[in-house]
Amino acid sequence: EIVMTQSPGTLSVSPGERATLSCRASQSVSSKLAWYQQKPGQAPRLLIYAASTRATGVPASFSGGGSGTEFTLTISSLQSEDSAVYYCQQYNNWPLTFGGGTKVEIK
Amino acid sequence: EVQLVESGGDLVQPGGSLRLSCAASEFTFSSYAMNWVRQAPGKGLEWVSIISGDGSSTDYADSVKGRFTISRDNSKNMLYLQMNSLRAEDTAIYYCAKRYTTGWHFFDYWGQGSLVTVSS
Repeated sequence: EIVMTQSPGTLSVSPGERATLSCRASQSVSSKLAWYQQKPGQAPRLLIYAASTRATGVPASFSGGGSGTEFTLTISSLQSEDSAVYYCQQYNNWPLTFGGGTKVEIK
Repeated sequence: EVQLVESGGDLVQPGGSLRLSCAASEFTFSSYAMNWVRQAPGKGLEWVSIISGDGSSTDYADSVKGRFTISRDNSKNMLYLQMNSLRAEDTAIYYCAKRYTTGWHFFDYWGQGSLVTVSS
């Protein structure tokens, strides 16, 4: 099973500042990596797939990068509505696995 | 707009059984594999099971294999999860989630979730 490790656990960022979230895979997942956003009491929402492709309707302020074992999700200018937990998920191997999440807080 | 609506969550005793349902609409249900993903209270996401569009192929996480059964009724646009021999560690919100497309095993639409609580 591929273990996905996200860091940091919590990220506190001022409005308008950049937030960079990391996701590391225990073995290569190529570019088969997705990112989700989950707000309290809501289901996860797909943000990014294929490591860097934004899903439909996702603002350009969200961008993904990386391949192999190291990935990043960047929020270029943090807005209050971006406060959420963000999860990465690999889909290169079975079982599908998620990272433990990074909570993004507005400072 | 794609809609997924789960139902059937409840409080059940350890060792008991429960059946979750997910009603799908606004997409060609039979063309897409469907999944169940769960989230224990205050915890992260865990993939549980997948079923192919025609229902002929299924897979499960090791944590539920032999206890849970995924199925679908394409004539009714319904997805199911039969959960037997439930344990306290199965307590979670269960989401049904649509796979993006063939070969791309991530989830572009999620339901709102159904809470299963296993406790005596």
